[in-house]
Amino acid sequence: GGIITQTPKFLIGQEGQKLTLKCQQNFNHDTMYWYRQDSGKGLRLIYYSITENDLQKGDLSEGYDASREKKSSFSLTVTSAQKNEMAVFLCASSIKGLGYEQYFGPGTRLTVL
Amino acid sequence: GDQVKQSPSALSLQEGTNSALRCNFSIATTTVQWFLQNPRGSLMNLFYLVPGTKENGRLKSTFNSKESYSTLHIRDAQLEDSGTYFCAAETSGGNYKPTFGKGTSLVVHP
Repeated sequence: GGIITQTPKFLIGQEGQKLTLKCQQNFNHDTMYWYRQDSGKGLRLIYYSITENDLQKGDLSEGYDASREKKSSFSLTVTSAQKNEMAVFLCASSIKGLGYEQYFGPGTRLTVL
Repeated sequence: GDQVKQSPSALSLQEGTNSALRCNFSIATTTVQWFLQNPRGSLMNLFYLVPGTKENGRLKSTFNSKESYSTLHIRDAQLEDSGTYFCAAETSGGNYKPTFGKGTSLVVHP
Protein backbone atom coordinates (compact mmCIF):
# COMPACT_ATOMS: atom_id res chain seq x y z
CA GLY A 1 0.00 0.00 0.00
CA GLY A 2 0.92 3.62 -0.20
CA ILE A 3 -0.06 6.99 1.11
CA ILE A 4 -0.53 10.54 -0.11
CA THR A 5 0.36 13.32 2.28
CA GLN A 6 -0.57 16.95 1.87
CA THR A 7 0.96 19.85 3.74
CA PRO A 8 -0.13 21.96 5.38
CA LYS A 9 -3.45 20.56 6.54
CA PHE A 10 -4.78 24.07 7.17
CA LEU A 11 -3.54 27.22 5.47
CA ILE A 12 -4.54 30.74 6.40
CA GLY A 13 -3.43 33.53 4.12
CA GLN A 14 -3.86 37.22 3.48
CA GLU A 15 -5.36 38.77 0.40
CA GLY A 16 -2.79 39.05 -2.39
CA GLN A 17 -0.40 36.59 -0.75
CA LYS A 18 1.35 33.86 -2.70
CA LEU A 19 0.68 30.49 -1.07
CA THR A 20 2.19 27.08 -1.77
CA LEU A 21 0.64 23.69 -1.10
CA LYS A 22 2.62 20.47 -1.22
CA CYS A 23 1.73 16.89 -2.03
CA GLN A 24 3.83 13.74 -1.68
CA GLN A 25 2.97 10.17 -2.72
CA ASN A 26 4.86 6.94 -2.15
CA PHE A 27 2.78 4.79 -4.53
CA ASN A 28 5.39 5.35 -7.25
CA HIS A 29 2.53 6.62 -9.41
CA ASP A 30 3.30 8.43 -12.64
CA THR A 31 0.39 10.87 -12.73
CA MET A 32 -0.55 13.44 -10.11
CA TYR A 33 -3.44 15.91 -9.89
CA TRP A 34 -4.57 19.00 -8.02
CA TYR A 35 -8.29 19.64 -7.54
CA ARG A 36 -10.19 22.44 -5.87
CA GLN A 37 -13.40 21.76 -3.98
CA ASP A 38 -15.61 24.61 -2.78
CA SER A 39 -17.99 23.98 0.07
CA GLY A 40 -20.79 21.65 -0.91
CA LYS A 41 -19.56 21.39 -4.48
CA GLY A 42 -17.79 18.89 -6.70
CA LEU A 43 -14.13 18.65 -7.68
CA ARG A 44 -12.57 20.91 -10.30
CA LEU A 45 -9.25 20.03 -11.85
CA ILE A 46 -6.58 22.73 -11.59
CA TYR A 47 -3.41 21.09 -12.89
CA TYR A 48 -2.17 17.61 -13.51
CA SER A 49 1.16 16.05 -14.37
CA ILE A 50 1.48 12.89 -16.43
CA THR A 51 5.07 12.25 -15.41
CA GLU A 52 8.02 13.98 -13.76
CA ASN A 53 8.62 17.49 -15.18
CA ASP A 54 5.35 17.39 -17.10
CA LEU A 55 2.60 19.94 -16.47
CA GLN A 56 -0.90 20.10 -17.95
CA LYS A 57 -3.60 22.70 -17.32
CA GLY A 58 -6.95 21.59 -16.05
CA ASP A 59 -10.24 23.44 -16.15
CA LEU A 60 -9.35 25.94 -13.43
CA SER A 61 -5.68 26.76 -13.92
CA GLU A 62 -5.96 30.57 -13.98
CA GLY A 63 -4.58 32.02 -10.75
CA TYR A 64 -2.45 28.97 -10.04
CA ASP A 65 0.99 27.60 -10.84
CA ALA A 66 2.19 24.06 -10.33
CA SER A 67 5.49 22.25 -10.23
CA ARG A 68 6.35 18.54 -10.48
CA GLU A 69 9.74 18.58 -8.90
CA LYS A 70 10.14 14.82 -8.86
CA LYS A 71 8.01 11.77 -9.40
CA SER A 72 6.82 11.64 -5.81
CA SER A 73 5.94 15.30 -5.31
CA PHE A 74 3.64 17.85 -6.88
CA SER A 75 3.28 21.43 -5.60
CA LEU A 76 0.53 23.96 -6.22
CA THR A 77 0.92 27.72 -5.82
CA VAL A 78 -1.95 30.15 -5.43
CA THR A 79 -0.39 33.15 -7.12
CA SER A 80 -2.53 35.81 -5.40
CA ALA A 81 -4.97 34.74 -2.73
CA GLN A 82 -8.46 36.24 -3.05
CA LYS A 83 -10.11 37.85 -0.04
CA ASN A 84 -12.72 35.65 1.71
CA GLU A 85 -11.68 32.67 -0.38
CA MET A 86 -12.33 29.33 1.27
CA ALA A 87 -11.77 25.98 -0.39
CA VAL A 88 -10.24 22.56 0.05
CA PHE A 89 -7.42 21.56 -2.28
CA LEU A 90 -7.16 17.85 -2.97
CA CYS A 91 -4.16 16.08 -4.41
CA ALA A 92 -4.46 12.71 -6.14
CA SER A 93 -2.22 10.27 -7.96
CA SER A 94 -2.79 7.42 -10.39
CA ILE A 95 -0.90 4.84 -12.38
CA LYS A 96 -1.62 3.74 -15.90
CA GLY A 97 -3.25 0.36 -15.72
CA LEU A 98 -6.59 -0.47 -17.25
CA GLY A 99 -7.20 3.23 -16.82
CA TYR A 100 -6.29 5.83 -14.24
CA GLU A 101 -7.57 4.75 -10.85
CA GLN A 102 -7.05 7.72 -8.58
CA TYR A 103 -6.09 7.84 -4.93
CA PHE A 104 -6.63 11.02 -2.95
CA GLY A 105 -4.80 12.78 -0.17
CA PRO A 106 -6.57 14.23 2.89
CA GLY A 107 -6.68 17.78 1.54
CA THR A 108 -5.48 21.26 2.47
CA ARG A 109 -8.13 23.64 3.73
CA LEU A 110 -7.46 27.22 2.65
CA THR A 111 -8.91 30.30 4.30
CA VAL A 112 -8.04 33.79 3.09
CA LEU A 113 -8.67 36.65 5.49
CA GLY B 1 -24.21 20.41 -20.37
CA ASP B 2 -22.66 18.16 -17.79
CA GLN B 3 -20.75 15.25 -19.24
CA VAL B 4 -21.28 13.21 -16.07
CA LYS B 5 -24.69 13.60 -14.43
CA GLN B 6 -25.29 12.16 -11.02
CA SER B 7 -28.72 11.51 -9.57
CA PRO B 8 -30.23 12.14 -7.20
CA SER B 9 -28.33 15.20 -5.99
CA ALA B 10 -29.44 14.50 -2.42
CA LEU B 11 -30.92 11.48 -0.68
CA SER B 12 -32.20 10.72 2.78
CA LEU B 13 -32.42 7.08 3.86
CA GLN B 14 -33.62 5.37 6.96
CA GLU B 15 -31.13 2.99 8.50
CA GLY B 16 -31.56 -0.53 7.14
CA THR B 17 -33.11 0.44 3.81
CA ASN B 18 -31.72 0.05 0.30
CA SER B 19 -31.16 2.55 -2.46
CA ALA B 20 -29.33 3.19 -5.72
CA LEU B 21 -27.29 6.10 -6.99
CA ARG B 22 -26.74 6.66 -10.67
CA CYS B 23 -24.31 8.32 -13.05
CA ASN B 24 -25.22 8.98 -16.69
CA PHE B 25 -22.49 9.75 -19.17
CA SER B 26 -22.77 11.87 -22.30
CA ILE B 27 -19.17 11.07 -23.21
CA ALA B 28 -17.73 7.74 -24.31
CA THR B 29 -16.54 6.24 -21.03
CA THR B 30 -14.02 3.44 -20.59
CA THR B 31 -13.76 3.17 -16.82
CA VAL B 32 -15.71 4.51 -13.84
CA GLN B 33 -14.57 5.19 -10.32
CA TRP B 34 -16.84 5.69 -7.30
CA PHE B 35 -15.77 7.59 -4.19
CA LEU B 36 -17.31 8.41 -0.84
CA GLN B 37 -16.36 11.71 0.71
CA ASN B 38 -17.01 11.47 4.43
CA PRO B 39 -18.14 14.42 6.55
CA ARG B 40 -14.49 15.12 7.44
CA GLY B 41 -13.70 15.60 3.74
CA SER B 42 -11.63 12.51 3.03
CA LEU B 43 -12.26 10.81 -0.31
CA MET B 44 -12.34 7.05 -0.05
CA ASN B 45 -12.15 4.74 -3.05
CA LEU B 46 -15.17 2.48 -3.34
CA PHE B 47 -14.98 0.92 -6.79
CA TYR B 48 -12.97 1.12 -9.96
CA LEU B 49 -14.83 -0.46 -12.86
CA VAL B 50 -14.43 -1.52 -16.43
CA PRO B 51 -17.81 -2.59 -17.91
CA GLY B 52 -19.31 -5.09 -15.51
CA THR B 53 -20.24 -5.41 -11.86
CA LYS B 54 -18.32 -5.41 -8.60
CA GLU B 55 -19.52 -6.06 -5.10
CA ASN B 56 -18.01 -5.24 -1.74
CA GLY B 57 -20.01 -5.96 1.38
CA ARG B 58 -23.24 -3.97 1.28
CA LEU B 59 -22.19 -2.06 -1.83
CA LYS B 60 -22.54 -3.16 -5.42
CA SER B 61 -21.68 -1.20 -8.52
CA THR B 62 -22.41 -1.77 -12.19
CA PHE B 63 -20.98 -0.02 -15.22
CA ASN B 64 -22.84 -0.41 -18.50
CA SER B 65 -20.72 1.22 -21.20
CA LYS B 66 -23.16 0.50 -24.03
CA GLU B 67 -25.96 2.39 -22.31
CA SER B 68 -23.58 4.92 -20.77
CA TYR B 69 -24.42 4.67 -17.10
CA SER B 70 -23.17 3.36 -13.81
CA THR B 71 -25.06 2.58 -10.64
CA LEU B 72 -24.06 2.20 -7.01
CA HIS B 73 -26.42 0.11 -4.89
CA ILE B 74 -26.40 0.46 -1.12
CA ARG B 75 -27.97 -2.37 0.81
CA ASP B 76 -28.98 -2.14 4.48
CA ALA B 77 -27.84 1.48 4.80
CA GLN B 78 -25.90 2.33 7.95
CA LEU B 79 -25.24 5.67 9.63
CA GLU B 80 -21.59 5.54 8.54
CA ASP B 81 -22.67 5.44 4.89
CA SER B 82 -23.55 9.14 5.17
CA GLY B 83 -21.49 11.48 3.04
CA THR B 84 -21.20 12.57 -0.56
CA TYR B 85 -20.79 9.99 -3.31
CA PHE B 86 -18.94 10.95 -6.45
CA CYS B 87 -18.50 9.09 -9.69
CA ALA B 88 -15.64 9.86 -12.06
CA ALA B 89 -15.58 8.79 -15.70
CA GLU B 90 -12.51 8.17 -17.77
CA THR B 91 -13.09 8.81 -21.42
CA SER B 92 -11.71 7.02 -24.45
CA GLY B 93 -8.87 8.75 -26.27
CA GLY B 94 -6.17 8.06 -23.71
CA ASN B 95 -6.42 11.27 -21.74
CA TYR B 96 -5.25 11.17 -18.17
CA LYS B 97 -7.97 13.07 -16.37
CA PRO B 98 -11.25 11.61 -15.19
CA THR B 99 -14.38 13.76 -15.32
CA PHE B 100 -16.25 14.02 -12.03
CA GLY B 101 -19.96 14.25 -11.42
CA LYS B 102 -21.30 16.81 -8.95
CA GLY B 103 -22.05 14.23 -6.31
CA THR B 104 -24.97 12.73 -4.38
CA SER B 105 -25.27 13.87 -0.79
CA LEU B 106 -26.55 10.98 1.33
CA VAL B 107 -27.84 11.21 4.88
CA VAL B 108 -28.71 8.00 6.69
CA HIS B 109 -30.83 8.57 9.76
CA PRO B 110 -31.87 6.21 12.57
